[in-house]
Amino acid sequence: AQSVTQLGSHVSVSEGALVLLRCNYSSSVPPYLFWYVQYPNQGLQLLLKYTSAATLVKGINGFEAEFKKSETSFHLTKPSAHMSDAAEYFCAVIGATGGYNKLIFGAGTRLAVHP
Amino acid sequence: EPEVTQTPSHQVTQMGQEVILRCVPISNHLYFYWYRQILGQKVEFLVSFYNNEISEKSEIFDDQFSVERPDGSNFTLKIRSTKLEDSAMYFCASNRLAGGDEQYFGPGTRLTVT
Repeated sequence: AQSVTQLGSHVSVSEGALVLLRCNYSSSVPPYLFWYVQYPNQGLQLLLKYTSAATLVKGINGFEAEFKKSETSFHLTKPSAHMSDAAEYFCAVIGATGGYNKLIFGAGTRLAVHP
Repeated sequence: EPEVTQTPSHQVTQMGQEVILRCVPISNHLYFYWYRQILGQKVEFLVSFYNNEISEKSEIFDDQFSVERPDGSNFTLKIRSTKLEDSAMYFCASNRLAGGDEQYFGPGTRLTVT
């Protein structure tokens, strides 16, 4: 069965600092991987996705993530944090077999950005 | 830009009452989903729906839950007899293709069972 682990339920960075949000997945087959962002009182918005093309995936708002099969990781990064990046971030996986469409989410990481 | 809409944004109900949460998916999408997020917890899959039938459901989706696409635009989640533990944010999502196609989420309905 597929699963997702996000290390760190809360991450705090200074404005302009590097953002690194960690995600490790478990899947017996090549996965599809996603990062979603949730702003307060809003739904989930896709930041980026990995679907077996390039291992370095660029998303919206300057975010990117690198798929590392050997480490079963899909960490999210942004070189310079902005105040508007404060939100909750969810990593999710879809397995390629069984549960073909359902998203399995990690517990989420709340990002705080301070001046 | 097309978006998934959900109504109501907040529903308060008493334990044992039936509730219907409504969603309008993006018009050319074929796959529909319900997820829920209990306060402070992760987003959990409830059910997926394709071609007018359930394609997969989680263990959470017991006999108290049902889904329906009553017409060409709405997608509903019914909880027959609500329990306190059903209090959560319920998200509807849709996509056009199976597999790795992006699922578009609605803004959610916050259900409070008292």
